Amino acid sequence: AQSVTQPDIHITVSEGASLELRCNYSYGATPYLFWYVQSPGQGLQLLLKYFSGDTLVQGIKGFEAEFKRSQSSFNLRKPSVHWSDAAEYFCAVVPYNTDKLIFGTGTRLQVFP
Amino acid sequence: DSGVTQTPKHLITATGQRVTLRCSPRSGDLSVYWYQQSLDQGLQFLIQYYNGEERAKGNILERFSAQQFPDLHSELNLSSLELGDSALYFCASSVRGERGETQYFGPGTRLLVL
Repeated sequence: AQSVTQPDIHITVSEGASLELRCNYSYGATPYLFWYVQSPGQGLQLLLKYFSGDTLVQGIKGFEAEFKRSQSSFNLRKPSVHWSDAAEYFCAVVPYNTDKLIFGTGTRLQVFP
Repeated sequence: DSGVTQTPKHLITATGQRVTLRCSPRSGDLSVYWYQQSLDQGLQFLIQYYNGEERAKGNILERFSAQQFPDLHSELNLSSLELGDSALYFCASSVRGERGETQYFGPGTRLLVL
């Protein structure tokens, strides 16, 4: 079945530590790929997106993501996490035959000082 | 601030009632999307409008309807409300509603059905 999977429901890291949030998709053709962040009481904000080309994508707030076709993955990374990064992160896809966003279940990031 | 506004921020109502959620897209954006975020279903696409016309439909219940007006604002109407309709409803907008365009999300309307 077509799906977007974020296997980690909740991740806790110390401030200054590196971060990797996992995302896998299951679609026949490579969809467009996105990462959004949702802070408490806020709407979703786009961090970065991938359509084609260079598989390492830079986004806002120091985030980057790497597309790996062989693993059907689009993991989000940040080398050094700040307390303000605590939020919920959603991976999303736009399948090849549609223009609507399909979201994963989200990963809640907690940052300890 | 994404430039997308939604009113009201919070809404408390009773089962069986009808409510209307309002969304104003970013200036210049022609396409509006509605999403529902609930604990059991996650974030789900409901419906998309482009320049007043319905463009795509997702998992939207028959009790729900939407429209986009000539000034491009949109309303989502929820009727015969059930407890399970309690959720956060987001509106998003994009310029042309095309595949891959960045969607800018509003802050959401939190609906509680008692």
